[in-house]
Amino acid sequence: DGGITQSPKYLFRKEGQNVTLSCEQNLNHDAMYWYRQDPGQGLRLIYYSQIVNDFQKGDIAEGYSVSREKKESFPLTVTSAQKNPTAFYLCASRSKAFGSGTRLTVV
Amino acid sequence: AQSVSQHNHHVILSEAASLELGCNYSYGGTVNLFWYVQYPGQHLQLLLKYFSGDPLVKGIKGFEAEFIKSKFSFNLRKPSVQWSDTAEYFCAVSPISGTYKYIFGTGTRLKVLA
Repeated sequence: DGGITQSPKYLFRKEGQNVTLSCEQNLNHDAMYWYRQDPGQGLRLIYYSQIVNDFQKGDIAEGYSVSREKKESFPLTVTSAQKNPTAFYLCASRSKAFGSGTRLTVV
Repeated sequence: AQSVSQHNHHVILSEAASLELGCNYSYGGTVNLFWYVQYPGQHLQLLLKYFSGDPLVKGIKGFEAEFIKSKFSFNLRKPSVQWSDTAEYFCAVSPISGTYKYIFGTGTRLKVLA
């Protein structure tokens, strides 16, 4: 089945640690996106990539980094610089394709 | 099963026509409700959201939606569409407690003819 796979579903991180969220797609889509959702808010764009080896900052990119070495993969690293990383993270590719999300909690 | 249904997959309207896009959800608890828009080649943008209070919610760009709890519906409306509203529209729900998840509808592709 084609789709977007995010892993893990739940992730716990200690303060000061970097952590990487995985997003893989087998839809052959060029564009991929990372969003974040906090309680009481809608999705906000963190980073996006329109093509391999290229990516752009979204509205809330500070404290995050991404890479796009392969078309299928768009991992998101939440760095220790992200002051409030506890949130729900959603990966998507163009139109209609969404992952199931990763819930990150800082402990 | 938890799901979001958008019954209109493709809608074509002329400019100035009124728009209503249907959204029904199935979930056994209280949810937050959202409408997102995705313009060609762009990311999702939040149009409006409902958490509580007045069931008639006004969003950006003249859009509004009404939450009808008894019908599990959250239909999106706009009195007069413009060519620039051509985009794909997604309804989504997110439970307010328990497992954190986001459930999207399949989307409605709107084309507005100039």
